[in-house]
Amino acid sequence: KAGVTQTPRYLIKTRGQQVTLSCSPISGHRSVSWYQQTPGQGLQFLFEYFSETQRNKGNFPGRFSGRQFSNSRSEMNVSTLELGDSALYLCASSFQGPPVGYTFGSGTRLTVV
Amino acid sequence: GQQVMQIPQYQHVQEGEDFTTYCNSSTTLSNIQWYKQRPGGHPVFLIQLVKSGEVKKQKRLTFQFGEAKKNSSLHITATQTTDVGTYFCAGHTGNQFYFGTGTSLTVIP
Repeated sequence: KAGVTQTPRYLIKTRGQQVTLSCSPISGHRSVSWYQQTPGQGLQFLFEYFSETQRNKGNFPGRFSGRQFSNSRSEMNVSTLELGDSALYLCASSFQGPPVGYTFGSGTRLTVV
Repeated sequence: GQQVMQIPQYQHVQEGEDFTTYCNSSTTLSNIQWYKQRPGGHPVFLIQLVKSGEVKKQKRLTFQFGEAKKNSSLHITATQTTDVGTYFCAGHTGNQFYFGTGTSLTVIP
């Protein structure tokens, strides 16, 4: 079966703009979570959605938001981009969320200039 | 701040040598997961440990969860060049899911 699909793969945005990233989970998976990966901070948890509801949230500012649709596809939005938002954004899905392991997508590489 | 630390941050080993990475949490974890990320790739789930003191093996990889459920280790016996990558532990505590800082393994042929 198809894996976790993230689009786009690469993105370049200007400071102050906003961006929307998309994640399509494995068919049948209802939990989708988002992570930010940077060389300095490592992998940091952004939020998790399950059945269209945000179930958990990490320690990121309100500029970072997300949502999940009825087909489990999820989007992540970052408003008023800052240079420090440049990172690899990873999406992961699982059947029901913790405690089972997650399947990660290949990520979206966001560069803010 | 970061609640799950891993040591060492980097490890270079000669092919055939053993390798161990240690994961330590400041709080008790309900479970621990291990992931491997190849250079340029994304994290791939390896295993999950749930019980206190649990030990699991996958071929040359041995995973252990501490008795207090605050630490874990991954041991690779006789490393191969295919073991190259960054190994992350990750654990749930409350509603939060924390990834460790990762250990980058380089295997010298």
